[in-house]
Amino acid sequence: AIQLTQSPSSLSASVGDRVTITCRASQGIRDDLGWYQRKPGQAPKLLIYAASSLQSGVPSRFSGSGSGTDFTLTISSLQPEDFATYYCLQDFNYPRTFGPGTTVDMK
Amino acid sequence: EVQLVESGGGWVQPGGSLRLSCAASGFTLSSYWMTWLRQAPGMGLEWVANIFRDGSEIHYLDSVKGRFTISRDNAKNSLYLQMNSLRAEDTAVYYCARDLDIATESGYYDAFDIWGRGTTVTVSS
Repeated sequence: AIQLTQSPSSLSASVGDRVTITCRASQGIRDDLGWYQRKPGQAPKLLIYAASSLQSGVPSRFSGSGSGTDFTLTISSLQPEDFATYYCLQDFNYPRTFGPGTTVDMK
Repeated sequence: EVQLVESGGGWVQPGGSLRLSCAASGFTLSSYWMTWLRQAPGMGLEWVANIFRDGSEIHYLDSVKGRFTISRDNAKNSLYLQMNSLRAEDTAVYYCARDLDIATESGYYDAFDIWGRGTTVTVSS
């Protein structure tokens, strides 16, 4: 199974900060990667699919980039509602696998 | 309102069985791939299984192959997960999710846009 690693595992940031989260795949996965946001007690929310395509209704401060093995999720200006855990998910092959998550908390 | 509601979770001894259900409303289930995922206590998200629109294609996580069976009844707008020979490591909150299976020039992409709130499965003696 393809392994995904995320860095950092957690970060502290302030409202207005630019935040970057990295996801690395154990083998090339083209652009078959999505990003999800998870808040406590809530279902995960789809942010990005196909590495860089923004899901409808997701604020434009979220963006994704990358292909092959290295991917990035960027929040251009962190908002109070963005404090959450972020997961990458590969859909290049089966079984689908998630990264371990990156928690963004308040500095 | 578009939503998914899971049910059927509970406590079961190792080796036991449970059948999870996922009721869809607000959309036509037959138009979508559907997926089961789970999150064990203190762990991250884990993909478990998925099923094509008409049930003709199914995929499983290796650790559940031969023990879990995903199925669907489009007429009832419902998704199921039959779980047999349960192990302690199957303890988790189980979620069903709708997959938009987005088509682009480059191919098809998973996109889990609707998730249920989850149902808890505890396997313990």
